[in-house]
Amino acid sequence: EDQVTQSPEALRLQEGESSSLNCSYTVSGLRGLFWYRQDPGKGPEFLFTLYSAGEEKEKERLKATLTKKESFLHITAPKPEDSATYLCAVQALKNRDDKIIFGKGTRLHILP
Amino acid sequence: DGGITQSPKYLFRKEGQNVTLSCEQNLNHDAMYWYRQDPGQGLRLIYYSQIVNDFQKGDIAEGYSVSREKKESFPLTVTSAQKNPTAFYLCASKGYALEAFFGQGTRLTVV
Repeated sequence: EDQVTQSPEALRLQEGESSSLNCSYTVSGLRGLFWYRQDPGKGPEFLFTLYSAGEEKEKERLKATLTKKESFLHITAPKPEDSATYLCAVQALKNRDDKIIFGKGTRLHILP
Repeated sequence: DGGITQSPKYLFRKEGQNVTLSCEQNLNHDAMYWYRQDPGQGLRLIYYSQIVNDFQKGDIAEGYSVSREKKESFPLTVTSAQKNPTAFYLCASKGYALEAFFGQGTRLTVV
């Protein structure tokens, strides 16, 4: 069964303190791995898609990386406005099935 | 503006009543999704549709029903058979790219 596990569940950092969020996945062939940001009471906002092991993508203070079993979202010198829940999701290579499975997310809180 | 519109933003219903949540998109996307989110939880897939007049059950389809009569619309009905319907419901759509894009959600409260 396809599964996505994110860790830690919650993370508190001081402003400027860099860290990484983890997303472990088990799928029968990965078609794509996605990172989203979600603010309270809002819909998730798309950040990145990663397709194959070794791929990296960056946006401002965020960098996403992918291996064959996990992905990391690195946050460099975060600011309070980076506080949000970060969600990881995967789509498997299954007969062109469009099913997308999400993890439970990591709640990130950046203290000023 | 192109996007995904969910309505209403807040919805209150009495226990035992069916309620329908609206999701419309003008992105010309083929695939559409419904997810449920409970406090402190990730997104759980209820139903998804890859094409008009076709849809598949997700992981928690019991107590829900959907239709896909038009490409732009994918309404979700929460029936009285759903035991714990109070939740935040999110609709998404996906085109040729792999990633899905979300609406702003409907918060359903059953009293």
